[in-house]
Amino acid sequence: SQQGEEDPQALSIQEGENATMNCSYKTSINNLQWYRQNSGRGLVHLILIRSNEREKHSGRLRVTLDTSKKSSSLLITASRAADTASYFCATARTSGTYKYIFGTGTRLKVLA
Amino acid sequence: NAGVTQTPKFQVLKTGQSMTLQCAQDMNHNSMYWYRQDPGMGLRLIYYSASEGTTDKGEVPNGYNVSRLNKREFSLRLESAAPSQTSVYFCASSEALLGTGGRAQHFGDGTRLSIL
Repeated sequence: SQQGEEDPQALSIQEGENATMNCSYKTSINNLQWYRQNSGRGLVHLILIRSNEREKHSGRLRVTLDTSKKSSSLLITASRAADTASYFCATARTSGTYKYIFGTGTRLKVLA
Repeated sequence: NAGVTQTPKFQVLKTGQSMTLQCAQDMNHNSMYWYRQDPGMGLRLIYYSASEGTTDKGEVPNGYNVSRLNKREFSLRLESAAPSQTSVYFCASSEALLGTGGRAQHFGDGTRLSIL
């Protein structure tokens, strides 16, 4: 069963604009990760946020986590054409966890 | 720095044939994983190996077997391929078993498998 659901499913923006994508999940988590997948490639880890953290930054990426709403957002600032990719959230549950549950992803297209 | 290497990159099989997907990592990671990715479904865990010598089922293990050959290599075998197993298969590795504080997974570029 799906744990993380990204929203929107697809997003198209102009270069230089900010891109925001959201992830909602159903059960309590230990941590949440965001990954990027370029067409025809494997997933690349972007950032991890733990359940006791509310916000993390990495370069042009900003991730927030709201455990009360069971949601996270990924903000990419000043987007570039090279940011065109699919973005996935992955959640690790708190109890007996040994795996991450991946969402279905947001397809981001950045137009030059 | 190769990271996670998967072979083959593409494969077409007929229903009932068997094959083994190979995966090797050069990062000295303890844990390795096999996922399948289908349109609109995200990634689903097939099997994982917490450490050399151990393997466990994930969400969708039916029709698959795995072998953790050594610390570097983790193979996935389809004994009797079915059209429902047409998918893109990804191998991943991490320093330690996920959930113990969280560890990034490192992915290979996938094997695109079609079963006719």
